[in-house]
Amino acid sequence: DQQVKQNSPSLSVQEGRISILNCDYTNSMFDYFLWYKKYPAEGPTFLISISSIKDKNEDGRFTVFLNKSAKHLSLHIVPSQPGDSAVYFCAASLDYNNDMRFGAGTRLTVKP
Amino acid sequence: DTGVSQNPRHKITKRGQNVTFRCDPISEHNRLYWYRQTLGQGPEFLTYFQNEAQLEKSRLLSDRFSAERPKGSFSTLEIQRTEQGDSAMYLCASSFGKQGLGGYTFGSGTRLTVV
Repeated sequence: DQQVKQNSPSLSVQEGRISILNCDYTNSMFDYFLWYKKYPAEGPTFLISISSIKDKNEDGRFTVFLNKSAKHLSLHIVPSQPGDSAVYFCAASLDYNNDMRFGAGTRLTVKP
Repeated sequence: DTGVSQNPRHKITKRGQNVTFRCDPISEHNRLYWYRQTLGQGPEFLTYFQNEAQLEKSRLLSDRFSAERPKGSFSTLEIQRTEQGDSAMYLCASSFGKQGLGGYTFGSGTRLTVV
């Protein structure tokens, strides 16, 4: 059962523009939502998160938006930089267990 | 603190052989997780330790898989009688306390190829 879905396998944007990565989920009980970034030959690196009680969290160039009624979250990167080129995973978890569910990832390419 | 270390980085084995992977978490982290990632998919949870106790196991963890964390420090993941379907990246992660909003720290993984 794929509870977290990233329907866009890839995204290409121009340097300096906004990157918007999307994620949908099916379990309305999720407490936390996280974004991880992965470079080749490395493990995923935690990027930013949001609690289910909030609808926005911002950290520098990165902002995560949560729409609970639509069971949708998005990651905005502004402005996009070539170093942001990586695979981005959306993840979600419940507070009472440790089974974090990941989406399949979106490969972001930022062109100079 | 050198992060989460996993060894070996790559393992090629013949079907039916046993393999063992090692994970050294960040020293002060009491929680350790194993995930598996296949091509084109996100990581999938396998199991979780708090100190030396294995507290959660996914149904993905068949009887051929066993994980240990004997002294609450490093962990090993053993796969017996490997099958081609076991070919994947095996990721270890650690955290101090519940990951909540803080996320895990992942290692670089062990890529297993079963031929």
